[in-house]
Amino acid sequence: RKEVEQDPGPFNVPEGATVAFNCTYSNSASQSFFWYRQDCRKEPKLLMSVYSSGNEDGRFTAQLNRASQYISLLIRDSKLSDSATYLCVVNSDYGQNFVFGPGTRLSVLP
Amino acid sequence: DAGVIQSPRHEVTEMGQEVTLRCKPISGHDYLFWYRQTMMRGLELLIYFNNNVPIDDSGMPEDRFSAKMPNASFSTLKIQPSEPRDSAVYFCASSGTAGANVLTFGAGSRLTVL
Repeated sequence: RKEVEQDPGPFNVPEGATVAFNCTYSNSASQSFFWYRQDCRKEPKLLMSVYSSGNEDGRFTAQLNRASQYISLLIRDSKLSDSATYLCVVNSDYGQNFVFGPGTRLSVLP
Repeated sequence: DAGVIQSPRHEVTEMGQEVTLRCKPISGHDYLFWYRQTMMRGLELLIYFNNNVPIDDSGMPEDRFSAKMPNASFSTLKIQPSEPRDSAVYFCASSGTAGANVLTFGAGSRLTVL
C-alpha cells in the first residue's frame, strides 16, 4: 500500500460545480498535511495547509480526519482556472519527510 | 526574493553522458530537497539536506546519482552515466524551519536521455 493515496482522476466538471477530492495516508504518526496544486508542465505550489479543525480559504475548504486517516479538499463554484492536478502531501514528523500523493487531475469545462 | 532557481530548464543528452543539474534555494532556507517526477511514479524524494548536510539519501536510485551542497546557496545533482530511464523532471525545493514548514519548488529541470 502506498503511503499517500488519492482519488483516481481525471475529474471533469462544469464551471460553477462543487468538487471534492479525498486523500488517505497510512502513517498514523503523520503530523502535518497540505494540498499543493500543479499546473501542466509547472512546479507544484502550495494551495493550503490542512489544520485539525478544518480550514477555509475562499472557495477552498480542507478537512482532516485523523481517526480515519484521510484529508479532503472541497472546491466550490469551480473556475476554469482551477484546472490543474491537486497533490495531497503528508509530513510524517516535524522534520522534513514530505510524502506526495500521486495527484488528482481536475478539468473545469466551460 | 527570486524563489528557488534551477538550471538548466531543459537538457537533452545521450545515454552515457554526465548530467549536472543546479539549484539555488531561497535565501535563509536551511532545507533543500531534490525530487524527481515521472508519469509512472509521480513525485519521488531523492535526497534532502539540512544546513548543507545530507540527511536522507535513501531515495537516490543508485550509485549513478550523487548530490552535493557545498554552501547554503548552491546544490548540484549529478547523474553519471545517464540512462534513458533517468528521463524525468527534476525539481529542487527549499524550506525554512522558522516558517510554516512549507516547500517552495523551483521550476524544474526537464531531462531527456536518448
